[in-house]
Amino acid sequence: SQTIHQWPATLVQPVGSPLSLECTVEGTSNPNLYWYRQAAGRGLQLLFYSVGIGQISSEVPQNLSASRPQDRQFILSSKKLLLSDSGFYLCAWSYRGLGGPLHFGNGTRLTVT
Amino acid sequence: GQQLNQSPQSMFIQEGEDVSMNCTSSSIFNTWLWYKQDPGEGPVLLIALYKAGELTSNGRLTAQFGITRKDSFLNISASIPSDVGIYFCAGQLGGGATNKLIFGTGTLLAVQP
Repeated sequence: SQTIHQWPATLVQPVGSPLSLECTVEGTSNPNLYWYRQAAGRGLQLLFYSVGIGQISSEVPQNLSASRPQDRQFILSSKKLLLSDSGFYLCAWSYRGLGGPLHFGNGTRLTVT
Repeated sequence: GQQLNQSPQSMFIQEGEDVSMNCTSSSIFNTWLWYKQDPGEGPVLLIALYKAGELTSNGRLTAQFGITRKDSFLNISASIPSDVGIYFCAGQLGGGATNKLIFGTGTLLAVQP
């Protein structure tokens, strides 16, 4: 069966510090990978998605970047965090191809102070 | 980012009551999905709908893919305390390999024993 792991679960970082959140998927190959952010008040906003190694598409302009160095590894980064980067970050995977649900990790709660 | 119109925003009900929530969109979707999110965790897939008019059940949950492909509803029968959480609809556009989801604004469900 497929599993998705995100870490850390919680993170408190000062403004201006760097960020690296990691996500890995097990039990499948060539998945699509996604980073979502959920601000207080529930809405899930797609930040990045990837259909393959080194292929990253950005959905919204922001202070963050994403990378996919390996097939089942997805990393969310920032060089200098802003207060507005605080939120709940969710990684997800889906099978490649047309249609099919996304499966989410348990998220990382990021607080920028 | 784009979000679907989901209603109601919140519901406070007694254990045993039935619940109904819905999502509408100005766009046509090829897939409708319903997720539940518990506090501090990632959304978990409840039901996936792939065909207009499709009615699918998962235990006490029933969801339908609207015939116009622009809406979907979720019913929960005989609610229990563990049904508490935030429920999200999500629409998936066709025509590509990205499988990106557009999420609804969420329905917060509280169940009083």
